[in-house]
Amino acid sequence: DVKVTQSSRYLVKRTGEKVFLECVQDMDHENMFWYRQDPGLGLRLIYFSYDVKMKEKGDIPEGYSVSREKKERFSLILESASTNQTSMYLCAILRGLGAEAFFGQGTRLTVV
Amino acid sequence: EDKVVQSPLSLVVHEGDTVTLNCSYEVTNFRSLLWYKQEKKAPTFLFMLTSSGIEKKSGRLSSILDKKELFSILNITATQTGDSAVYLCAVSKSNYQLIWGAGTKLIIKP
Repeated sequence: DVKVTQSSRYLVKRTGEKVFLECVQDMDHENMFWYRQDPGLGLRLIYFSYDVKMKEKGDIPEGYSVSREKKERFSLILESASTNQTSMYLCAILRGLGAEAFFGQGTRLTVV
Repeated sequence: EDKVVQSPLSLVVHEGDTVTLNCSYEVTNFRSLLWYKQEKKAPTFLFMLTSSGIEKKSGRLSSILDKKELFSILNITATQTGDSAVYLCAVSKSNYQLIWGAGTKLIIKP
């Protein structure tokens, strides 16, 4: 069974703080993705990575960066958190011919 | 621009009713169409559809894809309160990117 683990379920941070969201997968998959999910907007892709040290911008990369130093770990970094980054953050890997997504449990981040 | 549109955005029905959720898409380099169920946590996988006209079924849930008209439907028969959730549709592209719809929020009243 695929396991995708996000480091925190709930997080509260102050405006201006640097925030790290960690995602670890145990299936040696190349492709890892970070999404944010907001009511009425669906899932929006922030960044993705096809391999170690490789990263690609998604649809909404502004205000975020990522790090992939090891294959199993993909980190999302909010350089200076702002209130409009309050959201649910979901990490996913894609697997199989149909590219089925497997998600971590999600991190609900509140920036105050 | 790639897009996936789900309808309705929300739906309230009574337990025992049958519901049909719609997903239409305009996506280049189509690989597959995926349905997910999301309760108060991360989405969980329901179906993957790659071929037109072949129904996928799991218990009271079923789904079918029409690649000519570019849509899919998700049917739920004899609904139960546990079916209350947001149902997400996504299209997978050949470059492994997923294009997501905004979801349909389904509420089942006892």
